[in-house]
Amino acid sequence: GIQVEQSPPDLILQEGANSTLRCNFSDSVNNLQWFHQNPWGQLINLFYIPSGTKQNGRLSATTVATERYSLLYISSSQTTDSGVYFCAVTSNFGNEKLTFGTGTRLTIIP
Amino acid sequence: ETGVTQTPRHLVMGMTNKKSLKCEQHLGHNAMYWYKQSAKKPLELMFVYNFKEQTENNSVPSRFSPECPNSSHLFLHLHTLQPEDSALYLCASSASGEETQYFGPGTRLLVL
Repeated sequence: GIQVEQSPPDLILQEGANSTLRCNFSDSVNNLQWFHQNPWGQLINLFYIPSGTKQNGRLSATTVATERYSLLYISSSQTTDSGVYFCAVTSNFGNEKLTFGTGTRLTIIP
Repeated sequence: ETGVTQTPRHLVMGMTNKKSLKCEQHLGHNAMYWYKQSAKKPLELMFVYNFKEQTENNSVPSRFSPECPNSSHLFLHLHTLQPEDSALYLCASSASGEETQYFGPGTRLLVL
């Protein structure tokens, strides 16, 4: 099946810093989503972005489908941004199974 | 988000118990999913239902038994679980099989 790798696995930043999280995938996709999992386990949709660029406040994401990667940008980080960020994809050649990466754990220090 | 709710939020059970997890979505979606999240592992898809029909069973042991009585409700019946089944069980829904998935808050399960 499709492989999804995220980097870095862990990231510790000072409040106010900017960060870039990366997601590489091994096959062409028709669905790519970024999620934020808060400390209580809730997964929050950030972006549905199988291609192109989207922005929502301090967050933006870019997927370059032809090169099989996606980037999540967080600007002016706040402590509430802490948690685990997951990338998940659905392969063009599979069923609707959403395959998750192992996540990037982001810790924002006040 | 309150579009997808799950109960209970926490559950402790012995290996001989029988319990059920419940998921309800208020988004008018047609597809519902069960995922398992264990420590240090990526989320694993367990089951997929599309229009109440099971379309995916990701090699899940028979001690986990899903039920989807209608498009808004999804259950996961548990019996004779093992301690390694302790995990966060997440339910999700989407408009169809290829749309954005929305997750519930999860049930944190501990099997003693």
